[in-house]
Amino acid sequence: AQSVTQLDSQVPVFEEAPVELRCNYSSSVSVYLFWYVQYPNQGLQLLLKYLSGSTLVESINGFEAEFNKSQTSFHLRKPSVHISDTAEYFCAVSDRWDMRFGAGTRLTVKP
Amino acid sequence: DAGVTQSPTHLIKTRGQQVTLRCSPKSGHDTVSWYQQALGQGPQFIFQYYEEEERQRGNFPDRFSGHQFPNYSSELNVNALLLGDSALYLCASRWGGNYGYTFGSGTRLTVV
Repeated sequence: AQSVTQLDSQVPVFEEAPVELRCNYSSSVSVYLFWYVQYPNQGLQLLLKYLSGSTLVESINGFEAEFNKSQTSFHLRKPSVHISDTAEYFCAVSDRWDMRFGAGTRLTVKP
Repeated sequence: DAGVTQSPTHLIKTRGQQVTLRCSPKSGHDTVSWYQQALGQGPQFIFQYYEEEERQRGNFPDRFSGHQFPNYSSELNVNALLLGDSALYLCASRWGGNYGYTFGSGTRLTVV
């Protein structure tokens, strides 16, 4: 069975500061890893994904995540956050049949 | 191109009643999964449908059932509603060989 642990339930940070949201996974087979973002009263939007190849993946809005197989981690980073990045972030692991999510990290960006 | 469409957006039901939620997947997608997201929690996997069959199921009781139609749309049915079934129900679709899901905006179910 596969599972995801998001190590921080809440991360407060000031605008323009760097941020890291931590994610660890467990799986007995090859995995595919994702980060989704959820704004209030909305569904989930795909932020970025790792399927194969380069272990560093980037999104169009400045986020990046690095797949680390030895540490079974897929941490999300951004060098400088904006107020608009305030949202709930979910790490997910998928295999051929289903996708499992972590409990989420609430990122709050303060002015 | 429309994404994943869910209906209704909001629903209020009484304990013991039955409810049906509907989902139209993104064009070109053939796999549909349903998730339950309680307030302040991550989405919990209910089940996945592919080729009109339930392929995988999460840890949910038999009160939760579903169906996939030939046009790939799907329904989630919940019988004998409990107060604890109150949640946001998310439908997600993907094309079989692509592991990333596209999510709908969800149906907010409130059981009173």
